[in-house]
Amino acid sequence: AQTVTQSQPEMSVQEAETVTLSCTYDTSESDYYLFWYKQPPSRQMILVIRQEAYKQQNATENRFSVNFQKAAKSFSLKISDSQLGDAAMYFCASRENTNAGKSTFGDGTTLTVKP
Amino acid sequence: ETGVTQSPTHLIKTRGQQVTLRCSSQSGHNTVSWYQQALGQGPQFIFQYYREEENGRGNFPPRFSGLQFPNYSSELNVNALELDDSALYLCASSGPYNEQFFGPGTRLTVL
Repeated sequence: AQTVTQSQPEMSVQEAETVTLSCTYDTSESDYYLFWYKQPPSRQMILVIRQEAYKQQNATENRFSVNFQKAAKSFSLKISDSQLGDAAMYFCASRENTNAGKSTFGDGTTLTVKP
Repeated sequence: ETGVTQSPTHLIKTRGQQVTLRCSSQSGHNTVSWYQQALGQGPQFIFQYYREEENGRGNFPPRFSGLQFPNYSSELNVNALELDDSALYLCASSGPYNEQFFGPGTRLTVL
């Protein structure tokens, strides 16, 4: 079974600054994916970034990047140049490669962006 | 390419009633999953369907059931509704490259 833990229920950042959201996970699988999703008040779960566990290189998507520490089972999300539109609930999730439909989510971090 | 859609957007039911939620998968996706998201929590996996067969289930009782149709659309049925069933229900479809796309959800309130 997989577990995902997000230890920061709430975070805040000043507009244009950088913030890092933490996530740790546990899995017995060797082949899995890790994800960060954004869920604004509109409820739509939007994929922010994904990381294949077999890849050592950290994934990046524009202002979003991850720090993937496989041995430590840590997967943090860094948001650079924060924008007001980044305010949302952020969820870390894991998924086994052999089970395309089942993701395990953390309880989320609410990110506030201050103007 | 259309995204994942869900209906209805909101629903209010009373205890003991039955409810059916619907989901249309993203074009070309043959795996659909359902999640329950209680307020302030992360989504919890209910079950998934692949080519019309259930092939994975989370820790939910049998009164949660589903269907997947040949066009890969899907239904989630919940019988004998309880107050704790009040939640946002999310549908997600998975494509050939392990991408999982979520619908906007159905907010179910049980009174």
